[in-house]
Amino acid sequence: GAVVSQHPSWVICKSGTSVKIECRSLDFQATTMFWYRQFPKQSLMLMATSNEGSKATYEQGVEKDKFLINHASLTLSTLTVTSAHPEDSSFYICSASLTGKGVLSDEQFFGPGTRLTVL
Amino acid sequence: AQSVTQPDIHITVSEGASLELRCNYSYGATPYLFWYVQSPGQGLQLLLKYFSGDTLVQGIKGFEAEFKRSQSSFNLRKPSVHWSDAAEYFCAVEGGSEKLVFGKGTKLTVNP
Repeated sequence: GAVVSQHPSWVICKSGTSVKIECRSLDFQATTMFWYRQFPKQSLMLMATSNEGSKATYEQGVEKDKFLINHASLTLSTLTVTSAHPEDSSFYICSASLTGKGVLSDEQFFGPGTRLTVL
Repeated sequence: AQSVTQPDIHITVSEGASLELRCNYSYGATPYLFWYVQSPGQGLQLLLKYFSGDTLVQGIKGFEAEFKRSQSSFNLRKPSVHWSDAAEYFCAVEGGSEKLVFGKGTKLTVNP
């Protein structure tokens, strides 16, 4: 199956700094990538949908100025957590789909996740 | 709004025993349902999905799930568990606009 990687797998940063997380589709070109957030013992929550070459679409309640998403190529999307605070500590997961038509039409392939800890 | 409940946070079974993971959903119309598995260090992998038709769905790795509208359930089953099935399992429903709404997950431990 298709492989999606994330880098780094875990990161610790100081409060107030920015952190960039990369999501790459290794063996296919992804029209659309998705970013999820998972708190301990909670479900994955969709944060935003990013399409190559266009602005990301954020879910209600997600601050677009805090969580900057760049989908500059068909194989790479980045999530930057700006001015991180301890409440941003979480597990961030990306997924990618080939056509971007949605989960009923096109399977999403998930990365292994990035554990962010903000001190 | 659509929601998914996985009542069991953690389940332990012995290798070779049968397995059933529970999933209940809340959705007004006919739901589109999914089961994913996440092994340590790996991304979520799709096990199976239900869109319509036969309510018993076969998936990969010997898993199956049964959609029961009357019970709003989509339970995952496997007749004989292998040690390699130890992982976290997520049930999800299509929550409109072809986006996924996930349950909180069930962690499966397999004893030798």
